[in-house]
Amino acid sequence: LAKTTQPISMDSYEGQEVNITCSHNNIATNDYITWYQQFPSQGPRFIIQGYKTKVTNEVASLFIPADRKSSTLSLPRVSLSDTAVYYCLVGRYGGATNKLIFGTGTLLAVQP
Amino acid sequence: SQTIHQWPATLVQPVGSPLSLECTVEGTSNPNLYWYRQAAGRGLQLLFYSVGIGQISSEVPQNLSASRPQDRQFILSSKKLLLSDSGFYLCAWSTGKLGYGYTFGSGTRLTVV
Repeated sequence: LAKTTQPISMDSYEGQEVNITCSHNNIATNDYITWYQQFPSQGPRFIIQGYKTKVTNEVASLFIPADRKSSTLSLPRVSLSDTAVYYCLVGRYGGATNKLIFGTGTLLAVQP
Repeated sequence: SQTIHQWPATLVQPVGSPLSLECTVEGTSNPNLYWYRQAAGRGLQLLFYSVGIGQISSEVPQNLSASRPQDRQFILSSKKLLLSDSGFYLCAWSTGKLGYGYTFGSGTRLTVV
């Protein structure tokens, strides 16, 4: 399973766009990139998933360069409620190998 | 719609006592099921996962065990709890299909005293 590296913490202000970058130099051909959000004392919540280029949903965008050795989660116009830990995960899907390993994540602190 | 139930929400147990945490999923069949543990201020550690009834894979040697007696039921157990078993335990399920990720339960806060 590919190891991921992301900043331990980030600070932002309300209304700003936040970009969290994750490195995964050893990503395999069959690996997908997934981001989760976790609030204190709650389980992580799926945000977005992608394989290459750009993926966008109602919550965030995910940018993946051609070499796929990194990815960037983009949160538009953050609010105080976006303060949480964000996890970048790399893993395969399907069958017995369908499991994800969580790292320590990035603690995003949004200030007014 | 699919839902995942996990109980109890909090639990305080003495060292050496047994443990049983239950997780059930509704609205889907043949889900992949997972148990994670999160120590205070730490990331999530995968403990067990299951792709079918009676099929359990252990990720970390430890004092815990898991069972899947029914398709949508996943149980985490221990015969004798240790202080180091304290943590936030999360059950999760997935379809194994792309674009959906894992859905986590609300978690159990276990304190071993």
